Amino acid sequence: SAVISQKPSRDICQRGTSLTIQCQVDSQVTMMFWYRQQPGQSLTLIATANQGSEATYESGFVIDKFPISRPNLTFSTLTVSNMSPEDSSIYLCSVLGQGITGELFFGEGSRLTVL
Amino acid sequence: GENVEQHPSTLSVQEGDSAVIKCTYSDSASNYFPWYKQELGKRPQLIIDIRSNVGEKKDQRIAVTLNKTAKHFSLHITETQPEDSAVYFCAAQRSNDYKLSFGAGTTVTVRA
Repeated sequence: SAVISQKPSRDICQRGTSLTIQCQVDSQVTMMFWYRQQPGQSLTLIATANQGSEATYESGFVIDKFPISRPNLTFSTLTVSNMSPEDSSIYLCSVLGQGITGELFFGEGSRLTVL
Repeated sequence: GENVEQHPSTLSVQEGDSAVIKCTYSDSASNYFPWYKQELGKRPQLIIDIRSNVGEKKDQRIAVTLNKTAKHFSLHITETQPEDSAVYFCAAQRSNDYKLSFGAGTTVTVRA
């Protein structure tokens, strides 16, 4: 299993500002992802955080809005830039337990409210 | 890409009764089907999964069935208890692809 720590756990942000979420894993992992969960909704993959290279973004998500860093195999950050109320969501870091098929472990999530 | 549909969106059951959640997927190349449980304010956690080479898997009170021909799979919870109240997500993954496609979720409420 993997233990994932995310911070902040929650924040209230002003429109137009940016916030960076940190994700720390207790072991080295190859595959690390960022998900968004809007209120009462499912889990939507934002991007795959690649160690040492640019993240791979899913359709509808762009680097300018959600820049991601992955400096090593245990740490990643997601920035939500120029926030608007529509960005109010829970943002979850997750890692694959093994290989490319297996249990996905999630962090506790970062609940952002944009006023 | 893969499209996963999940029904029902909400389910209320009496404690001790069974609960069934159904999902369908679109991509016949999908071969891994996990189920995640998310309690209120908590992270999603894997509760059971099934691969395409088996038709059924059971773990105590929960079971998952898979019909590859019809491209649907189901979660069965027997003898429901109040702690089973949560949102349940099904998901599907294609072979050689690390990405999971999640269903919309089912909010299960177990009435005491």
